[in-house]
Amino acid sequence: GDSVTQMEGPVTLSEEAFLTINCTYTATGYPSLFWYVQYPGEGLQLLLKATKADDKGSNKGFEATYRKETTSFHLEKGSVQVSDSAVYFCALRGDLAGNNRKLIWGLGTSLAVNP
Amino acid sequence: GAVVSQHPSRVICKSGTSVKIECRSLDFQATTMFWYRQFPKKSLMLMATSNEGSKATYEQGVEKDKFLINHASLTLSTLTVTSAHPEDSSFYICSARDSVQGTYEQYFGPGTRLTVT
Repeated sequence: GDSVTQMEGPVTLSEEAFLTINCTYTATGYPSLFWYVQYPGEGLQLLLKATKADDKGSNKGFEATYRKETTSFHLEKGSVQVSDSAVYFCALRGDLAGNNRKLIWGLGTSLAVNP
Repeated sequence: GAVVSQHPSRVICKSGTSVKIECRSLDFQATTMFWYRQFPKKSLMLMATSNEGSKATYEQGVEKDKFLINHASLTLSTLTVTSAHPEDSSFYICSARDSVQGTYEQYFGPGTRLTVT
């Protein structure tokens, strides 16, 4: 079945450092790919998404490109801030009808940014 | 933007009692809502998919008689943890899918922290 694998954390960076959180997936067809963020004490928020190959999702300085050839959707940010400290989840949603099109989740990567 | 609320945000109950958690879509209609459980430092585990006006679909290994789900309207779904035990202590999150836009976008509630003593 479909699955998502993302790098284990925790990731600790200094402010203004470059961030990469790896995410790879296994799916049939052409899934949509997502990054969600969960700030401390808050609910999940959609950070960015991409619905087809070579699409780049971007938001708040974060980017991720849907790479079908490598089945990857790595999250990147050029210069992280303390306020980016959160848990980041990679997820996919299959393109096949049925099964209520559930989101398939990675395990989450905790990011801590130090001033 | 689409907002999903959950109530209560935190609840502490005694072992053997039941607890009801509400999930509401505040500014959109949701024919489908999802209930997740999140363990510390773990990913989200989908418990069940709730469709308005019909019985919920439970994931494998989730006891439907223990986790009762009701989705009586397009804006409200409830999860009742019956005869709660300490091992049911967890963070429960709901999400709602906007049925009008048809984008299958899910919007998440802020979660409910359940502690069973």
